[in-house]
Amino acid sequence: DAGVIQSPRHEVTEMGQEVTLRCKPISGHDYLFWYRQTMMRGLELLIYFNNNVPIDDSGMPEDRFSAKMPNASFSTLKIQPSEPRDSAVYFCASSFLPPSTGELFFGEGSRLTVL
Amino acid sequence: QQQVKQSPQSLIVQKGGISIINCAYENTAFDYFPWYQQFPGKGPALLIAIRPDVSEKKEGRFTISFNKSAKQFSLHIMDSQPGDSATYFCAASNDGQAGTALIFGKGTTLSVSS
Repeated sequence: DAGVIQSPRHEVTEMGQEVTLRCKPISGHDYLFWYRQTMMRGLELLIYFNNNVPIDDSGMPEDRFSAKMPNASFSTLKIQPSEPRDSAVYFCASSFLPPSTGELFFGEGSRLTVL
Repeated sequence: QQQVKQSPQSLIVQKGGISIINCAYENTAFDYFPWYQQFPGKGPALLIAIRPDVSEKKEGRFTISFNKSAKQFSLHIMDSQPGDSATYFCAASNDGQAGTALIFGKGTTLSVSS
C-alpha cells in the first residue's frame, strides 16, 4: 500500500480564501484523523471518523473549519474563510484499530500558509 | 487533566551519548503510552509503546521507562546517532474507552551532533 496520501503538500493562499485539503487513507483502515501541527501547540487532534462517520470533532477550532468523509477512501478538511492564524501543517492519519490503542499511520502533511 | 506535558522542548546530544525525554500526565485512566518519531518534512511514525503493566520496555537502542505512581514516562535513546535527529512526541490514551483518541505532548526536537 502507498500509505496515507495527502494533497496538496504545500498551499499558499490569501486571507479570506477557501482552502481544501485532501486525504486518502490506507485501504482497510476504518479510522481517519485530522491533526494540526504548530510550534506553539504541537500536534492537535481536530476531528476523527470511524467508518466515515465523525466521532469526535471537539478539536475543530471554529465554524470556519469543516471536514467530510464521503466514502472510505477519501476525506477533506475545508477552511472557509482562511485566516493567517490557520497557518500550520495539517496531517491526516488512519488506523485499523481504535484510536485509543491502534498505531496511527500519518501522511506527509499539507503545509498551509495564509498571508 | 487531559494534557500530556513533555520536556525538554529541544535537546542537543553528542554522538554516542544518551538522550532522555520526559513526559508527565494527570489522567490516571490513561493506560497506553506510545512515542512517535518525526523526521523533517514527514509525518510522525510510531517508535515504541508501553502499557502500565510493565515498568520498562526496550527495543534496540530505545527504551521507555514508566513510573505509574509518579504518572511519568520517559524515552531513553542509548548510543545516540545523527540519524536519530528528529522530533519526538509522547502520547497517552485511555484504552478502556475505545473512542478516546491519543493526546500528544508538544514534542522534543533532538539534534545529535557528530
